[in-house]
Amino acid sequence: DSGVTQTPKHLITATGQRVTLRCSPRSGDLSVYWYQQSLDQGLQFLIQYYNGEERAKGNILERFSAQQFPDLHSELNLSSLELGDSALYFCASSVEAGGADTQYFGPGTRLTVL
Amino acid sequence: DAKTTQPTSMDCAEGRAANLPCNHSTISGNEYVYWYRQIHSQGPQYIIHGLKNNETNEMASLIITEDRKSSTLILPHATLRDTAVYYCIVRVGDDSWGKLQFGAGTQVVVTP
Repeated sequence: DSGVTQTPKHLITATGQRVTLRCSPRSGDLSVYWYQQSLDQGLQFLIQYYNGEERAKGNILERFSAQQFPDLHSELNLSSLELGDSALYFCASSVEAGGADTQYFGPGTRLTVL
Repeated sequence: DAKTTQPTSMDCAEGRAANLPCNHSTISGNEYVYWYRQIHSQGPQYIIHGLKNNETNEMASLIITEDRKSSTLILPHATLRDTAVYYCIVRVGDDSWGKLQFGAGTQVVVTP
């Protein structure tokens, strides 16, 4: 158990809908990262927040957005869902924001768009 | 971040040591070598990381060559639960960019 929690574990929804994925980092961690893992793309970095502020952006679609709240939990919002958004979404956390800092991953949310 | 090259797959007998190679010939002086593994759609699990020196923890050992162009992850006594995809990643060790860049990894199958 990494100490990172994600809810829900599974989500099934229809095209065009909007969903929110939630992540609680390990106690004391200030950075939260979101990754997407689809069958054909592998694990891809989406976005990073550090202490409430956006820190880095990766391959995140404009239909997707995220935020980190004062209690440091984070939410990833996915809207106008398409079939291709079906994937595993992982959240990771680390103490600080930088490259020498170990990231610990949550168990993921499996999103299925029908 | 420097790119890494790993074998696509490896088999290992239960109880034997598993040696997983990784090439990172373009690694820079401030880049760390990280290893993670992913067991069938679970969240990636941190294993170990190092900069120059060899490292050991309760899970594994990391051997980095003197020129830092390659490394080997050693699982000393593989068990069936070590069957997973293992990712070797190099990351810049400063404050600027925190993402992990995952490649395809090595699928390790531990057999009885």
